Amino acid sequence: ETGVTQSPTHLIKTRGQQVTLRCSSQSGHNTVSWYQQALGQGPQFIFQYYREEENGRGNFPPRFSGLQFPNYSSELNVNALELDDSALYLCASSLGQFGSAKTSEQYFGPGTRLTVT
Amino acid sequence: AQSVTQLGSHVSVSEGALVLLRCNYSSSVPPYLFWYVQYPNQGLQLLLKYTSAATLVKGINGFEAEFKKSETSFHLTKPSAHMSDAAEYFCAVSEITGRRALTFGSGTRLQVQP
Repeated sequence: ETGVTQSPTHLIKTRGQQVTLRCSSQSGHNTVSWYQQALGQGPQFIFQYYREEENGRGNFPPRFSGLQFPNYSSELNVNALELDDSALYLCASSLGQFGSAKTSEQYFGPGTRLTVT
Repeated sequence: AQSVTQLGSHVSVSEGALVLLRCNYSSSVPPYLFWYVQYPNQGLQLLLKYTSAATLVKGINGFEAEFKKSETSFHLTKPSAHMSDAAEYFCAVSEITGRRALTFGSGTRLQVQP
């Protein structure tokens, strides 16, 4: 069974630029969630995708956007990067229909470390 | 809104000693609860979960946690610490409907002294 993978591992960008992060879900998992983990803090929910549609988002502005593809992989896009966007971005996958209990059981990838200078 | 409080940002124990990491949650109804472990420069690994079945939950690596509704707590324990347990531990609560997003505590860094 293949776990959640993310690319790239590390990324350095300049303020104002745009970035795309990628995630492949665990085999058979149809739901992908994205989290931002700032240094020294717990992860914060950005948004979740199920059947290629966003299910809702946390307290993040519209410049954070995403996609989910038919194979359940996903992208996180961030426009107009700010210094505070520097963080570890975690992707998590889960199995289940929207709203089912199984969606709670989320398995995380290793993350992408984004540094904005 | 749900929230999670982890008491103690740093906990230090001796190898072989009891590990106790505290987690209290706030929710209008009993939620689903999780403990994750994060090793340096890695993602989160699921240790154990409470999903309204048995209140004492056993996880990987010898860890267990007990759900206490009256105390709104879900503390993580391990009878005997091992050097390899040194890591950051996060307690998380799940929404009970809809997207089931996880809300995390701020984490507890566990140090294990030889």
